Amino acid sequence: AIQMTQSPSSLSASVGDRVTLTCRASQDIRNGLGWYQQKPGKAPKLLIFAASSLQSGVPSRFSGSGSGTDFTLTISSLQPEDFATYYCLQVYNYPCTFGQGTKLEIK
Amino acid sequence: QITLKESGPTLVKPTQTLTLTCTFSGFSLNTRGVGVAWIRQPPGKALEWLVHIYWDNDKRYSPSLKNRLTITKDTSKNQVVLTMTNMDPVDTATYYCAHSRGIVGDIMFDSWGQGTLVTVSS
Repeated sequence: AIQMTQSPSSLSASVGDRVTLTCRASQDIRNGLGWYQQKPGKAPKLLIFAASSLQSGVPSRFSGSGSGTDFTLTISSLQPEDFATYYCLQVYNYPCTFGQGTKLEIK
Repeated sequence: QITLKESGPTLVKPTQTLTLTCTFSGFSLNTRGVGVAWIRQPPGKALEWLVHIYWDNDKRYSPSLKNRLTITKDTSKNQVVLTMTNMDPVDTATYYCAHSRGIVGDIMFDSWGQGTLVTVSS
């Protein structure tokens, strides 16, 4: 199975900051990657699909980039509602595999 | 509007079989490109993809759980059923079902159920 490694595991940041989260695949997955946001006690929410396509209704401060093995999720200006855990998910082949998550906390 | 809801027991004993039902609305599992997956999350841990069923009845299983999982769909009832045999305390988790578009290489899970917590304990 393809291993997905996210970094950092946790990150402290302030409202208004620009933050970048990273996800690395153990092999080439082309652009078969999505980013999901999860808040405590809630289901995950799709933010980005196909590595860089913004899901409908998601604020434009979220953006994704990368292909192959290295991917990033950038939040251009953190808002209070963005503090959550973020997961990448590779969908290039089966089994689909998630990263271990990055917890974004308020500084 | 797409909605999904998981239902089933909240507590099962070790060695028992778990049966969870995902009841959905707002889409048809007869539509090309549509699927439903089950994903779980142990308390405080990461998400884990388990199994996927597509409009054409193609099924994909996690290799590590393949021998324990069965997924079926009933398009007339708008339901997908997951069974997991030989439950163990390590299977304690919140189980989510999710609507998917696309096929492998281009899948997106764009709508999720609220999840149901299943505890495995004697």
